[in-house]
Amino acid sequence: KAGVTQTPRYLIKTRGQQVTLSCSPISGHRSVSWYQQTPGQGLQFLFEYFSETQRNKGNFPGRFSGRQFSNSRSEMNVSTLELGDSALYLCASSLANGHYGYTFGSGTRLTVV
Amino acid sequence: GESVGLHLPTLSVQEGDNSIINCAYSNSASDYFIWYKQESGKGPQFIIDIRSNMDKRQGQRVTVLLNKTVKHLSLQIAATQPGDSAVYFCAETLPNTGNQFYFGTGTSLTVIP
Repeated sequence: KAGVTQTPRYLIKTRGQQVTLSCSPISGHRSVSWYQQTPGQGLQFLFEYFSETQRNKGNFPGRFSGRQFSNSRSEMNVSTLELGDSALYLCASSLANGHYGYTFGSGTRLTVV
Repeated sequence: GESVGLHLPTLSVQEGDNSIINCAYSNSASDYFIWYKQESGKGPQFIIDIRSNMDKRQGQRVTVLLNKTVKHLSLQIAATQPGDSAVYFCAETLPNTGNQFYFGTGTSLTVIP
């Protein structure tokens, strides 16, 4: 059974650019959550999508956005990149409510220069 | 300004000894907890979970203890092996918040052969 797949694995972007990251959940999983991991702040929740609707949102500026498609694949977008956006972006998927099978991907390492 | 790295607690144990990793969680209303293991370059990997209506749960070589009175979780690893070397995180979530998890700062475990 394939795990959570995140693409690309590595990205280098310039300040001011925008970036889109992709997450394909485990087959059958309908919930996709996104997290940002940095040495300074640790793992912080960005948002969660369930059945194409944003269900929860963390405390991040509006430059961070996401969406989920009908096949449960999700994308997150960061506009007007700042140096501080350099981080490992992780997504996790689960079946539905109840956190069952909550599984993380390996992440996308974003470097903003 | 420049962000400062989180000070990760560290734990070094001899191979074959038992390890105990502690976590103080923040919200007394949290009803579900997960321990994760994260190896370098990888996403967090599920180890074991526990609901707030339990105080102990055992898995293969691992035991989680929950003390709601003092908001404390611990992860015990029996017969620690070199492959257990990683950063360990506890994560908590509140009722009716979907899959929005709050992560602790992590503990770096080093197993000495």
